[in-house]
Amino acid sequence: EIVLTQSPATLSLSPGERATLSCRASQSVSSYLAWYQQKPGQAPRLLIYDASNRATGIPARFSGSGSGTDFTLTISSLEPEDFALYYCQQRSSWPLTFGGGTKVEIK
Amino acid sequence: QVQLVESGGGVVQPGGSLRLSCAASGFTFSSYGMHWVRQAPGKGLEWVAVIWDDGNKNYYADSVKGRFTISRDNSKNTLYLQMNRLRAEDTAVYHCARDLGGSTPYNYFDPWGQGTPVSVSS
Repeated sequence: EIVLTQSPATLSLSPGERATLSCRASQSVSSYLAWYQQKPGQAPRLLIYDASNRATGIPARFSGSGSGTDFTLTISSLEPEDFALYYCQQRSSWPLTFGGGTKVEIK
Repeated sequence: QVQLVESGGGVVQPGGSLRLSCAASGFTFSSYGMHWVRQAPGKGLEWVAVIWDDGNKNYYADSVKGRFTISRDNSKNTLYLQMNRLRAEDTAVYHCARDLGGSTPYNYFDPWGQGTPVSVSS
């Protein structure tokens, strides 16, 4: 099973700042990695798939990069609605697995 | 718009069974693979199972293999999860999710339903 490790666990930032979230895989997943956003009481929402492709309707301030074992989700300038939990997920091999999540909180 | 509405959750004793349903609308259900993903209280996300668009192929997480069965009725636009021999560690909110791809699952989840809670407790 591929283990995804997200860091940091919590990121404390102010609106307007840049957020950089990391996801590291225990073995190469090529570019088969997605990012999801989850707000309290809501279902997760797909942001990025295949490492760098924005899903439909996702603002351009969200971008993804990386390949192999190291991936980054960047939020260029945090909006108030971006403070949430973020998960990475790989589809390279079965079983599909998620990282443990990074919470982006207001500083 | 695409809607996924889960139902069937509840409280069940260890060793018991439940069947979850996911009613889909707003898209051609028979053209998409579908998934179940769960989230234990205060925990992260765990993928549970996937079924191909025609129902002829599926995969399961090791933690549920042999106990859970994913199925679908394309005539009713409904996805199911039959859960048998339930354990305390199966307690979670169960979300259904459409696959991002088409007939062959791409294995990303978009969109998700709000989920139905399952509690396994004596």
